[in-house]
Amino acid sequence: DAGITQSPRYKITETGRQVTLMCHQTWSHSYMFWYRQDLGHGLRLIYYSAAADITDKGEVPDGYVVSRSKTENFPLTLESATRSQTSVYFCASSEQTGVAKNIQYFGAGTRLSVL
Amino acid sequence: AQSVAQPEDQVNVAEGNPLTVKCTYSVSGNPYLFWYVQYPNRGLQFLLKYITGDNLVKGSYGFEAEFNKSQTSFHLKKPSALVSDSALYFCAVRDYGNNRLAFGKGNQVVVIP
Repeated sequence: DAGITQSPRYKITETGRQVTLMCHQTWSHSYMFWYRQDLGHGLRLIYYSAAADITDKGEVPDGYVVSRSKTENFPLTLESATRSQTSVYFCASSEQTGVAKNIQYFGAGTRLSVL
Repeated sequence: AQSVAQPEDQVNVAEGNPLTVKCTYSVSGNPYLFWYVQYPNRGLQFLLKYITGDNLVKGSYGFEAEFNKSQTSFHLKKPSALVSDSALYFCAVRDYGNNRLAFGKGNQVVVIP
């Protein structure tokens, strides 16, 4: 299916475990983003990527690692999960040029619980 | 840094009444402003954007937004609210020089039948 897909939709893990959240988009958008959504904080940017092999930190990058070896994939890894990383995670993508430039398209989200 | 503020946590409105969701912004330079909507257990969906031009921007599902430079506001409006408009609404501003967006904390809209 075309669009942006996240997997898994739900994940329960334990403190200290490594977890990888997947994001895949079929539009060949240049930009991709990872956000976390928490009550009282809205959406906060974790990492973003302007193109394959180019990534940069957002507002709350500590404890997270990203990679982007291919344009269509942008996985987010929690190297050693902590309870404070319990959240809903959203991936988004956007074009670099054209009339739709700057519009971000979001996946359905991954609800992560760290016990 | 660019930022937006959404002063109300929740907006309650009767079905059929006008709906307004408030947003103020702080930017250096010309603002690129956006509104998104989030339905339960879904990702955010783009509603509309202001880049330049007419201060009244029309978007999806009958929504519009009014850009006011002197008041640094970008309020979202709908003339007649529907129960199906009940959702979380986010205002956002583009960070100058890149494609990053800074989001507000969101407004829960409850449309009462």
